[in-house]
Amino acid sequence: GNSVTQMEGPVTLSEEAFLTINCTYTATGYPSLFWYVQYPGEGLQLLLKATKADDKGSNKGFEATYRKETTSFHLEKGSVQVSDSAVYFCARVNYGGSQGNLIFGKGTKLSVKP
Amino acid sequence: DAGVIQSPRHEVTEMGQEVTLRCKPISGHDYLFWYRQTMMRGLELLIYFNNNVPIDDSGMPEDRFSAKMPNASFSTLKIQPSEPRDSAVYFCASSGGRGTGNEQYFGPGTRLTVT
Repeated sequence: GNSVTQMEGPVTLSEEAFLTINCTYTATGYPSLFWYVQYPGEGLQLLLKATKADDKGSNKGFEATYRKETTSFHLEKGSVQVSDSAVYFCARVNYGGSQGNLIFGKGTKLSVKP
Repeated sequence: DAGVIQSPRHEVTEMGQEVTLRCKPISGHDYLFWYRQTMMRGLELLIYFNNNVPIDDSGMPEDRFSAKMPNASFSTLKIQPSEPRDSAVYFCASSGGRGTGNEQYFGPGTRLTVT
């Protein structure tokens, strides 16, 4: 089917630790991929995106590379901060008769301790 | 740029009452989405519109829920009658579709509590 699968949280890290949140997708074709972040009490915000294979999206020290061979779009950050504590959602475009719709993963909660 | 605007930000109501949530999308966006988020079920797409026309309402939980988009700058989600299990955060999002890379821009949400 068409879906997005994220690693389950919560993920708890110490400040300055390395972060990886795994995301894989199933789809026919090569849909654009996104990472959204939701800080406590707020709506989802676009963090980064990639529109084609081998593209690397980056923002605020976060990176993710579109890997068509492994159908993955893992989120990484070299040194997390307490302010990165949030829920992270992986998403892909759903083109199946629903142009402009996104399919979201279930979200991964990240807690960064000082 | 004001972003997606939702009102009210918080709503507390008693079971059986009618609740209306409002959304103003980003100007120029032709897609509008309504989501519901709870701890138990996560983020759920309820309905979305393209050019003010409902495209997919399969996520609307039951007939108590209805959504309208009378023009390009306004949409409502109505619950009548409300029930405690409707308590959730409701998000509105808008998108320019393929022309803008399909990103969705979310509003701050309406936290609904039904007692």
